[in-house]
Amino acid sequence: AQSVTQLDSQVPVFEEAPVELRCNYSSSVSVYLFWYVQYPNQGLQLLLKYLSGSTLVKGINGFEAEFNKSQTSFHLRKPSVHISDTAEYFCAVSDRPMDSNYQLIWGAGTKLIIKP
Amino acid sequence: NAGVTQTPKFRVLKTGQSMTLLCAQDMNHEYMYWYRQDPGMGLRLIHYSVGEGTTAKGEVPDGYNVSRLKKQNFLLGLESAAPSQTSVYFCASRDYYEQYFGPGTRLTVT
Repeated sequence: AQSVTQLDSQVPVFEEAPVELRCNYSSSVSVYLFWYVQYPNQGLQLLLKYLSGSTLVKGINGFEAEFNKSQTSFHLRKPSVHISDTAEYFCAVSDRPMDSNYQLIWGAGTKLIIKP
Repeated sequence: NAGVTQTPKFRVLKTGQSMTLLCAQDMNHEYMYWYRQDPGMGLRLIHYSVGEGTTAKGEVPDGYNVSRLKKQNFLLGLESAAPSQTSVYFCASRDYYEQYFGPGTRLTVT
């Protein structure tokens, strides 16, 4: 069964510094990969997704992620963070979007803490 | 469009009480989901529905029931609440790839 590992539960970083949030998944079969963001006391919203094609995916708010099939990773990056990026970030994977039993498998989340 | 809405936003129950959480979406999506979110555990799927009149069990269905009588609504019921059901509950609907989330319901069972 598919599983998702987010290696860091919290990542503190200074404002305007770069950040990388790590995500690894278990299966090397064709997968669909997602990053969602949850701002404090809100629901989740899609940050970016990889379905096929270019392995570098750009999302909202200056975030990007790179799909690495050989390393089964989908790490999220931003070159310069802002205080407004303070949130929890979730990586999710699915290998069967055409199936009626389609489900996303979720990582445990990484809290991004921006230090002024 | 309101997207996905959830009611109530907060609720405190005593052990053994029952309640229903309502999720509504106005995007005409077939698929809807109920998750619970607990610290350090990400999102866990409780039940889901692939269309009006259908429901299916997710990863953690015990203690919960659901109904999807209308396409736009997905109800989550707790028949006899337990402290272990203290959590934040999120509803989502999806189009082909993306899931759209409601703002959540924070439930405390004492």
